[in-house]
Amino acid sequence: DIVMTQTPLSSPVTLGQPASISCRSSQSLVHSDGNTYLSWLQQRPGQPPRLLIYKISNRFSGVPDRFSGSGAGTDFTLKISRVEAEDVGVYYCMQATQFPWTFGQGTKVEIK
Amino acid sequence: EVQLVESGGGLVQPGGSLKLSCAASGFTFSGSAMHWVRQASGKGLEWVGRIRSKANSYATAYAASVKGRFTISRDDSKNTAYLQMNSLKTEDTAVYYCTGNYYWGQGTLVTVSS
Repeated sequence: DIVMTQTPLSSPVTLGQPASISCRSSQSLVHSDGNTYLSWLQQRPGQPPRLLIYKISNRFSGVPDRFSGSGAGTDFTLKISRVEAEDVGVYYCMQATQFPWTFGQGTKVEIK
Repeated sequence: EVQLVESGGGLVQPGGSLKLSCAASGFTFSGSAMHWVRQASGKGLEWVGRIRSKANSYATAYAASVKGRFTISRDDSKNTAYLQMNSLKTEDTAVYYCTGNYYWGQGTLVTVSS
């Protein structure tokens, strides 16, 4: 199975300041079809996960443009340009290139 | 508006069975693969399995931890996916989410305890 490793596991951030989460996979996430199926999910307290970013850098419908994704191969990053109160929660990277889908451990974003 | 609504969760004894449902609306269910993902309390996300569309022969795939005990099926006429869980263990206790077409349901809680 592909292991997904996120850093940091906790990220206290001041409102209005940027935040960044890294995700590394144990092997390349480039699929044989040429796509890289790396997604980022947000889980607010008491809520189900919600898709933010798919295929590395594509924002899903309704996701604010302060969220951006980047990376390639085995190293990926989620950035929040200016953290807002509603961004508090746990963020997961997820790979869907190979079965089984696997997830990072989660990064808790909280306000300082 | 896309909606995925899970149901069927509850308390079951070890060794018992339970069948979860995931009712979908707002997208072309019949053309979409559907996945189940679970989350134990305070823990991360674990993929359980998936079923593809009729065009892809309803192919299924499962996590090693549930293979042989869980079965995913679907009824495209009802826009519903199912997760049949047999031989349940205490470690299967979790909130079970269905996900498809990039959307996630609210989840249903399964508790396996004597």
